[in-house]
Amino acid sequence: GAGVSQSPSNKVTEKGKDVELRCDPISGHTALYWYRQSLGQGLEFLIYFQGNSAPDKSGLPSDRFSAERTGGSVSTLTIQRTQQEDSAVYLCASSKGTSVGKVFGPGTRLTVL
Amino acid sequence: GQNIDQPTEMTATEGAIVQINCTYQTSGFNGLFWYQQHAGEAPTFLSYNVLDGLEEKGRFSSFLSRSKGYSYLLLKELQMKDSASYLCAVRDHAGNMLTFGGGTRLMVKP
Repeated sequence: GAGVSQSPSNKVTEKGKDVELRCDPISGHTALYWYRQSLGQGLEFLIYFQGNSAPDKSGLPSDRFSAERTGGSVSTLTIQRTQQEDSAVYLCASSKGTSVGKVFGPGTRLTVL
Repeated sequence: GQNIDQPTEMTATEGAIVQINCTYQTSGFNGLFWYQQHAGEAPTFLSYNVLDGLEEKGRFSSFLSRSKGYSYLLLKELQMKDSASYLCAVRDHAGNMLTFGGGTRLMVKP
């Protein structure tokens, strides 16, 4: 497609369950980012993938969070044993390199009950 | 680390000019970005500054002073559709990570 796509658009889960969020970046974009935005807050960096390099995981808030990027394209963000404070919109973004503006996906709104 | 400050809210009148300021304190700097985010939507890229000075793009301009750790986004001829949050973000020296400010919610009134 023409833009970054994410699925699901909305996810409601119970505390303690695991969730997987998917991101399909723009074809040809080598850089992929995950951000989190809590209600009324700014964007919080989670993780960054660039080509085949080791990902920058410095923003992951705990070891319950992990992400993979298979084949340099699709990425999955996994949150294990979800907590209520994990409720937020999870945004994926991609770019052709690091010197250009990122294109954001529509986000996945996660609600942990 | 990075610390980015911008006003929480601003109000302006349709047709007017508004300036949204952003100050930052960083351990590394490799560019400053402005994004627009309408409520319930993803951010969209507006501008990028890496050198000092003014970058103009239609009704929007962005200014950077690296020595002062300061940027502003200038919106001219405001339209109602400009009501949105405006996010300032700084890229670290390695070029990997964007750190975002909390955003400035701009309300444009008739």
